[in-house]
Amino acid sequence: NAGVMQNPRHLVRRRGQEARLRCSPMKGHSHVYWYRQLPEEGLKFMVYLQKENIIDESGMPKERFSAEFPKEGPSILRIQQVVRGDSAAYFCASSPFEQAGGYTFGSGTRLTVV
Amino acid sequence: AQSVTQLDSQVPVFEEAPVELRCNYSSSVSVYLFWYVQYPNQGLQLLLKYLSGSTLVKSINGFEAEFNKSQTSFHLRKPSVHISDTAEYFCAVSGGANNLFFGTGTRLTVIP
Repeated sequence: NAGVMQNPRHLVRRRGQEARLRCSPMKGHSHVYWYRQLPEEGLKFMVYLQKENIIDESGMPKERFSAEFPKEGPSILRIQQVVRGDSAAYFCASSPFEQAGGYTFGSGTRLTVV
Repeated sequence: AQSVTQLDSQVPVFEEAPVELRCNYSSSVSVYLFWYVQYPNQGLQLLLKYLSGSTLVKSINGFEAEFNKSQTSFHLRKPSVHISDTAEYFCAVSGGANNLFFGTGTRLTVIP
């Protein structure tokens, strides 16, 4: 049973481009969580999704960021018109049901904006 | 609101020596507490968790943590560390909602 799969592992974008980060949850998991780790900081919650629904997006920046988790396929975190401050590691986690932590994380996508 | 403080950003320790990684939290509600470990270039792995019941929780690789409500702490300990324990350790708290609040991490380096 593969773990949470994230790709790409590393992503380089120029300022103003779009970044798409993908997360495939563990088999049987229908709940996905996205976190961001800025340099020298801990992980910070961004968004929680179930299949086809955004449940909690209280940690998402108001502009340029969006997330989806379609009925088929991976969850996508999309960042439009990236800026240098978006450079960070983005981690995805999944769980079989809503739970207060203890879920499994992927290896992350390290986004670098140049 | 919840928050987590990990006072030690780096902890070097000799192999086979004991180690304690400190974690203090603040919360206005009952909490669930977690320790995660991140090995180089890998994702976060759950090391251990406290949800309820016994305040002392243990992992399969010799780590343990004790929930101390009066001191609002959840320190991580291991009586004898190995080289393979070198990693970054994150303490996290949840107030029962669907998100976690993480500390800034402690980088444990085990010296041969």
